[in-house]
Amino acid sequence: GAVVSQHPSWVICKSGTSVKIECRSLDFQATTMFWYRQFPKQSLMLMATSNEGSKATYEQGVEKDKFLINHASLTLSTLTVTSAHPEDSSFYICSASDLTGLARNNEQFFGPGTRLTVL
Amino acid sequence: AQKVTQAQTEISVVEKEDVTLDCVYETRDTTYYLFWYKQPPSGELVFLIRRNSFDEQNEISGRYSWNFQKSTSSFNFTITASQVVDSAVYFCALGGSGTYKYIFGTGTRLKVLA
Repeated sequence: GAVVSQHPSWVICKSGTSVKIECRSLDFQATTMFWYRQFPKQSLMLMATSNEGSKATYEQGVEKDKFLINHASLTLSTLTVTSAHPEDSSFYICSASDLTGLARNNEQFFGPGTRLTVL
Repeated sequence: AQKVTQAQTEISVVEKEDVTLDCVYETRDTTYYLFWYKQPPSGELVFLIRRNSFDEQNEISGRYSWNFQKSTSSFNFTITASQVVDSAVYFCALGGSGTYKYIFGTGTRLKVLA
């Protein structure tokens, strides 16, 4: 099956620093990747959609200058939280889809998530 | 607009009881997809089922079963003979045919007590 990995699985950083989270599709080419954020005891909220080789599309209310997304290859997307603050502490989940192949039935394959804590 | 409602915030049952988790959706798409995911305390989403809008057949997989009713825009999930390991947050999600985005419900936290 389609496997998606995320690295790191958890990270603690100081306020004001930047943190990069990687999302990789291990056994398929991900033409589209999605980034979600999940606060404690809340649902997953889509932050942005990224297509390989083009700029990400951000959801309303998500600051694109704060959450930098790069989808430079068909197997890797990165989310960089710039100048992180305690309110950015959350669980970040990526998903990947191959709109040309595996995305029959609209399927996304989810990574295991990255827990970010900003002190 | 697309929307998914999971009205049950938290459910507690005793082991071996049956439990049904409700999911009601709204969409104007004629082609759409419905999903259920399990999220254990580790946080990783576990895929349970996908159903497209043209397939109203109910499905059973072991102790799990799903009831898809287009007439009431519902896609309910039943766990038969619940076990402690079923304790988790369960999310229902809706995917459209054009954007490939998912809309998640707010989730139902299931606690199965021994």
